[in-house]
Amino acid sequence: DGGITQSPKYLFRKEGQNVTLSCEQNLNHDAMYWYRQDPGQGLRLIYYSQIVNDFQKGDIAEGYSVSREKKESFPLTVTSAQKNPTAFYLCAGRQGKEAFFGQGTRLTVV
Amino acid sequence: QKEVEQDPGPLSVPEGAIVSLNCTYSNSAFQYFMWYRQYSRKGPELLMYTYSSGNKEDGRFTAQVDKSSKYISLFIRDSQPSDSATYLCAMEETGGFKTIFGAGTRLFVKA
Repeated sequence: DGGITQSPKYLFRKEGQNVTLSCEQNLNHDAMYWYRQDPGQGLRLIYYSQIVNDFQKGDIAEGYSVSREKKESFPLTVTSAQKNPTAFYLCAGRQGKEAFFGQGTRLTVV
Repeated sequence: QKEVEQDPGPLSVPEGAIVSLNCTYSNSAFQYFMWYRQYSRKGPELLMYTYSSGNKEDGRFTAQVDKSSKYISLFIRDSQPSDSATYLCAMEETGGFKTIFGAGTRLFVKA
């Protein structure tokens, strides 16, 4: 089954803790993206990677970190420095101009 | 001012109605225009994709781009309850790597 796989689907975190969201793909996409979705704000770009071992900050990178050690994997770490981390997080691969999204991870800070 | 403006709705219509969804934008360099559909608690999926100005039709869906007015539309004919979802417009410059998304319009089609 090809696609973008995000895990877990739901994640709860205590304030002050770092948490890592997983994103795996078997579509052979070079480019991968992380977005954050909040009600009424659409998708905002956190980080993106066009190739292995390289990534760039998006519009709201503060409080987040990523790595791209393998083509198939692009994990996102939400650090304790992120002031308002409760949101729906979406990972995407890209072919041409089309983005292929995973099913998302809903992170809640408790 | 946001680069892409989209009314978040919600928009509620009866089954069979024609639906019009719209976005405006400010960046004249945008050349690629897309519409994504997102069902509740799922990731978005590409619905329509247009390059530059003009119309594109796919079944019950028609996408229109008016670059002179910086205005894009998605029309849904004979709307069905299964069309109930959030519709996000998206745009990108030629040679760009960053897609700019609208806020999304939530659509409800009542049986």
